[in-house]
Amino acid sequence: GQSLEQPSEVTAVEGAIVQINCTYQTSGFYGLSWYQQHDGGAPTFLSYNGLDGLEETGRFSSFLSRSDSYGYLLLQELQMKDSASYFCALTAGGFKTIFGAGTRLFVKA
Amino acid sequence: DSGVTQTPKHLITATGQRVTLRCSPRSGDLSVYWYQQSLDQGLQFLIQYYNGEERAKGNILERFSAQQFPDLHSELNLSSLELGDSALYFCASSVASGIINEQFFGPGTRLTVL
Repeated sequence: GQSLEQPSEVTAVEGAIVQINCTYQTSGFYGLSWYQQHDGGAPTFLSYNGLDGLEETGRFSSFLSRSDSYGYLLLQELQMKDSASYFCALTAGGFKTIFGAGTRLFVKA
Repeated sequence: DSGVTQTPKHLITATGQRVTLRCSPRSGDLSVYWYQQSLDQGLQFLIQYYNGEERAKGNILERFSAQQFPDLHSELNLSSLELGDSALYFCASSVASGIINEQFFGPGTRLTVL
């Protein structure tokens, strides 16, 4: 089957850098995505890695190592508004989209 | 605003009943996905349609069914409802299917089963 693991909670200080890790197990892998969800809101797409390496989008970067079945989301210059849940999601064989359980990020002043 | 619309926003019903949730994808998107999110849980993939055809199936119960119509809107039907079906149901859409996976989520329908 398919599964993803990510930490349940991470706390960081405003202005700092935080890394949210995601490890996965799957048969058939097409890519790893990251989504942000604020309380009461809908998930919004942040980034996608189909190949190994780093993808940068403004303050957010995402990394993938397919050989290690591992990826991470890097958030720089943290702001209070970054407090949210972050989900990694993989597109697996059969085009299923599997989401991790989510990491709640708390940004403190 | 993602451009994906879902109705209704809230739905309260009783056990054993049947409800229909509706989703309109972004203009031009051919794929529609349905997800279930229980309180403080992750998103459980239910089913995906692409241009009217079922494309992928996740952990969707037999009591649940979905379809995508020629105008590309989709409906998720939930029947014989149980208390445990109370959750937020999200619809998402994307341009294509499969590898390209930037999905745009609607605001969700909050279902409460009493």
